[in-house]
Amino acid sequence: QKEVEQNSGPLSVPEGAIASLNCTYSDRGSQSFFWYRQYSGKSPELIMFIYSNGDKEDGRFTAQLNKASQYVSLLIRDSQPSDSATYLCAVRGRGKTSYDKVIFGPGTSLSVIP
Amino acid sequence: DAGVIQSPRHEVTEMGQEVTLRCKPISGHDYLFWYRQTMMRGLELLIYFNNNVPIDDSGMPEDRFSAKMPNASFSTLKIQPSEPRDSAVYFCASSFGTTSSYNSPLHFGNGTRLTVT
Repeated sequence: QKEVEQNSGPLSVPEGAIASLNCTYSDRGSQSFFWYRQYSGKSPELIMFIYSNGDKEDGRFTAQLNKASQYVSLLIRDSQPSDSATYLCAVRGRGKTSYDKVIFGPGTSLSVIP
Repeated sequence: DAGVIQSPRHEVTEMGQEVTLRCKPISGHDYLFWYRQTMMRGLELLIYFNNNVPIDDSGMPEDRFSAKMPNASFSTLKIQPSEPRDSAVYFCASSFGTTSSYNSPLHFGNGTRLTVT
């Protein structure tokens, strides 16, 4: 089992719709979770992070965390063509000495159709 | 505040040559991570440092790969000898490492695109 898995893409949604991106992780002791966006040929950029169970909202983005199910998701409301990118889920979990090892999922490619 | 700085941006080399990638983390960050990204394998963690000390190098693919962090503001990733399968984008990232470091996000450099022919 891979440490961090994401729903396979590509995911296509019409402009204005809600895009839902999912991520599961294997280490139950993982501490915090990050969503990054990566445009083609660019480096990953942070969208938001979450570490407590429940929802966290930031503008059009909502991250949801369920530690019991080892599941984290990202909802993008009112999707725009500029949201078309690869979305990477990252998990900060158990390393050799502390909870400091950051592993990324394979990414989900999102395409927002005008 | 300057972000994570990587050099070179692009590197083209022949098989068997030594390659050195460089990274300057954000000032004050005490974690530094090296990742490799390919279409097939995604973003793989190679090695990470805390306070200049390597913590986990289990992701380093082979003995041909080595990484050092001689001080808080500089790290290198070396491949010797290089092979065509090493072609990838290599990213360096840094973060804070306080008692609440689990909340601290990674800040990425622009990456080095390595092509080994």
